[in-house]
Amino acid sequence: DGGITQSPKYLFRKEGQNVTLSCEQNLNHDAMYWYRQDPGQGLRLIYYSQIVNDFQKGDIAEGYSVSREKKESFPLTVTSAQKNPTAFYLCASSGQGGTEAFFGQGTRLTVV
Amino acid sequence: RKEVEQDPGPFNVPEGATVAFNCTYSNSASQSFFWYRQDCRKEPKLLMSVYSSGNEDGRFTAQLNRASQYISLLIRDSKLSDSATYLCVVDMYSSASKIIFGSGTRLSIRP
Repeated sequence: DGGITQSPKYLFRKEGQNVTLSCEQNLNHDAMYWYRQDPGQGLRLIYYSQIVNDFQKGDIAEGYSVSREKKESFPLTVTSAQKNPTAFYLCASSGQGGTEAFFGQGTRLTVV
Repeated sequence: RKEVEQDPGPFNVPEGATVAFNCTYSNSASQSFFWYRQDCRKEPKLLMSVYSSGNEDGRFTAQLNRASQYISLLIRDSKLSDSATYLCVVDMYSSASKIIFGSGTRLSIRP
């Protein structure tokens, strides 16, 4: 079945640690996105990539990093520079030309 | 100005009521528009795409007004199961896609 997979579903991080969230899609989509959602809030764009080996900052990129070495994969690293990383992280992908975005099931990150 | 702005909500309406949400977008070159539904602690899922001619899917009707740069969602005969957060989504597509979400409008349907 085609889809987009995020892992892990739950992640706990100690302060000062970097953690990497995985996002894989087999939909042959060119565009991939990372969003952050805080309780009771909407989705805020962290980074997006429209093609392999290229990505752009979204509205809240500080403290995060990404890579896009393969079309299928768009991992997000939450670095120690992100001061308030506890949130729900959603990865999405879409085809070119304004088609709908498909989401993974999300990763809940908690700093302990 | 935010790229996509929605009614803040929350909306609390009785079952059977009609409710409407509006959303404005800032980029006049935007090409594609969607409404997504998000249930508590879940990922958003596509409710419907919004076409220039408007579209209807059962109790749900979506409209696009390019001149005023807003889209709307109308829910008729609301059901308890319609309780969710509704997200307005705009693809700021120029040479490639950039999908921006509104902050969402929370809807609660009461018996």
